[in-house]
Amino acid sequence: QQQVKQSPQSLIVQKGGISIINCAYENTAFDYFPWYQQFPGKGPALLIAIRPDVSEKKEGRFTISFNKSAKQFSLHIMDSQPGDSATYFCAASKGSARQLTFGSGTQLTVLP
Amino acid sequence: NAGVMQNPRHLVRRRGQEARLRCSPMKGHSHVYWYRQLPEEGLKFMVYLQKENIIDESGMPKERFSAEFPKEGPSILRIQQVVRGDSAAYFCASSPRLGQENIQYFGAGTRLSVL
Repeated sequence: QQQVKQSPQSLIVQKGGISIINCAYENTAFDYFPWYQQFPGKGPALLIAIRPDVSEKKEGRFTISFNKSAKQFSLHIMDSQPGDSATYFCAASKGSARQLTFGSGTQLTVLP
Repeated sequence: NAGVMQNPRHLVRRRGQEARLRCSPMKGHSHVYWYRQLPEEGLKFMVYLQKENIIDESGMPKERFSAEFPKEGPSILRIQQVVRGDSAAYFCASSPRLGQENIQYFGAGTRLSVL
């Protein structure tokens, strides 16, 4: 079954701290791994994405770490801010299929 | 450049009625995807369409649900004879022509409530 397992379900971090969200996948055919950010009442917005030929990608305060052998990838949010409080979803797809398989989401709360 | 537009934003239907959800992709995008999100859960893929073609409907329930993306006009997700279990947020996403990265841009969703 094509699953993406995400943890933790919820996360509380102090302002300025590091938020870490983890995902694991089963299907080795997956070749694209995006992270989406969703605010209440809004649609998911693409945050950052990675392909399996690199082990890390950084964009501003957001970094994806990718471990192909362990079939795991994670999102790190450095210097977390209250405005980062949202639900974060990892996802995966394989080129020909096009559909995204989503994790169950992590509700992040950054305390001021 | 307007984003993915979905309407209505909220839809209330009684059991047995029909629900029609509309999605206009971003300008220049010819690929449309529909996802369903139940409360406290992630998004689940339903169907992938290109203009006038259903490419992958592996996530669509076998009965009561249908989707189309006509040559002109928005993509439509149609749910016939709605039941309470259909209550969810339905998101549409679009992407440009096939490329190396499957970047999908999402609309704000339609929240369907079945009474």
